[in-house]
Amino acid sequence: DSGVTQTPKHLITATGQRVTLRCSPRSGDLSVYWYQQSLDQGLQFLIQYYNGEERAKGNILERFSAQQFPDLHSELNLSSLELGDSALYFCASSVQGTTDTQYFGPGTRLTVL
Amino acid sequence: AQKVTQAQTEISVVEKEDVTLDCVYETRDTTYYLFWYKQPPSGELVFLIRRNSFDEQNEISGRYSWNFQKSTSSFNFTITASQVVDSAVYFCALTLKSSGDKLTFGTGTRLAVRP
Repeated sequence: DSGVTQTPKHLITATGQRVTLRCSPRSGDLSVYWYQQSLDQGLQFLIQYYNGEERAKGNILERFSAQQFPDLHSELNLSSLELGDSALYFCASSVQGTTDTQYFGPGTRLTVL
Repeated sequence: AQKVTQAQTEISVVEKEDVTLDCVYETRDTTYYLFWYKQPPSGELVFLIRRNSFDEQNEISGRYSWNFQKSTSSFNFTITASQVVDSAVYFCALTLKSSGDKLTFGTGTRLAVRP
């Protein structure tokens, strides 16, 4: 158990819908990262937050957004969902960032029908 | 830009065999960090090891060992006396001090250990 929690574990929804994935980092960690794992793209970095502020952006679609709250938990919002958004979404956390080890949560499996 | 290549897509071994998973990375930076993660069938990503570019010492942890060679840009992972519980997908990853904290992953190697 990495100490990173993600909810829900599974999510099934329809095209065009909007969902929110939630992540709680390990106690004491200030950085939160979101990654997407799909069969065709592999594991891709989406976005990073550090202590409430966006720090880095990767291959994140404009339909996707994220935020980190004062209690350091983070949410990833996915809207106007398409079939191709079906994937495993991981949250990771690290103490600060700057190449600290990232510990991953169990992931949220999103299925878009 | 950075890149990680795991050329072995799938490896199948019989229990108790030794197995080496290859990882080759590309970067022009001199300061970088390499990682291995394990993804068992249950799906989570489990951290195994972190190495910085200035530390070329090989590391051993139980049945696991890692060989880091800057000359060949490789960071290979060996499992000695493999067990069925080692069956998983193993990912090698790289992060650069210069380009922030994102992990760049290889495509993974699926290891199947047969009893």
